[in-house]
Amino acid sequence: EPEVTQTPSHQVTQMGQEVILRCVPISNHLYFYWYRQILGQKVEFLVSFYNNEISEKSEIFDDQFSVERPDGSNFTLKIRSTKLEDSAMYFCASCPGHNQPQHFGDGTRLSIL
Amino acid sequence: AQRVTQPEKLLSVFKGAPVELKCNYSYSGSPELFWYVQYSRQRLQLLLRHISRESIKGFTADLNKGETSFHLKKPFAQEEDSAMYYCALMKTGANNLFFGTGTRLTVIP
Repeated sequence: EPEVTQTPSHQVTQMGQEVILRCVPISNHLYFYWYRQILGQKVEFLVSFYNNEISEKSEIFDDQFSVERPDGSNFTLKIRSTKLEDSAMYFCASCPGHNQPQHFGDGTRLSIL
Repeated sequence: AQRVTQPEKLLSVFKGAPVELKCNYSYSGSPELFWYVQYSRQRLQLLLRHISRESIKGFTADLNKGETSFHLKKPFAQEEDSAMYYCALMKTGANNLFFGTGTRLTVIP
């Protein structure tokens, strides 16, 4: 069964540095998402992406964040200047169409030092 | 604003006992509700959604609009049901999920 894959599984970065988290959604899916989960807290929506543009974003997704689909397969989340509070598990998800179930990746654990 | 509440962080039941994981929501429109499950060392995966009215792995959930609830139930818990369970809401016309804080279910052999 096809899966959403995320790399790396764990990223350790110094505060203030840029970080790029990578995701390969399922190949025939059209909607892509990033969520995050700070340790001990709920999974929070960050951004959704459809037709090569952001379709929705949350308050968390400020100017420090950006997303890109640089080619036909990758979907990346960039944090421009990381802060300690960006430490979290970041999940990528994709789905084939509007209102269809979302398929999640294993997540990338981001640790900011 | 929408909110999903799972009042129990931890829930333990004995194998063979009934289990109910509570989920309440607040949203002014007609939401779509989901249950996601995360087994140990595995990814979040969809368990069921209210519009499909299915029973998956013996679990069912009924949307009660009067009580704004979507509790997950199973009549006889199994050890392999031990996992983290998340209730999630999707707003009308939107495509992103709002999650509750999750309930960790432990089924005691």
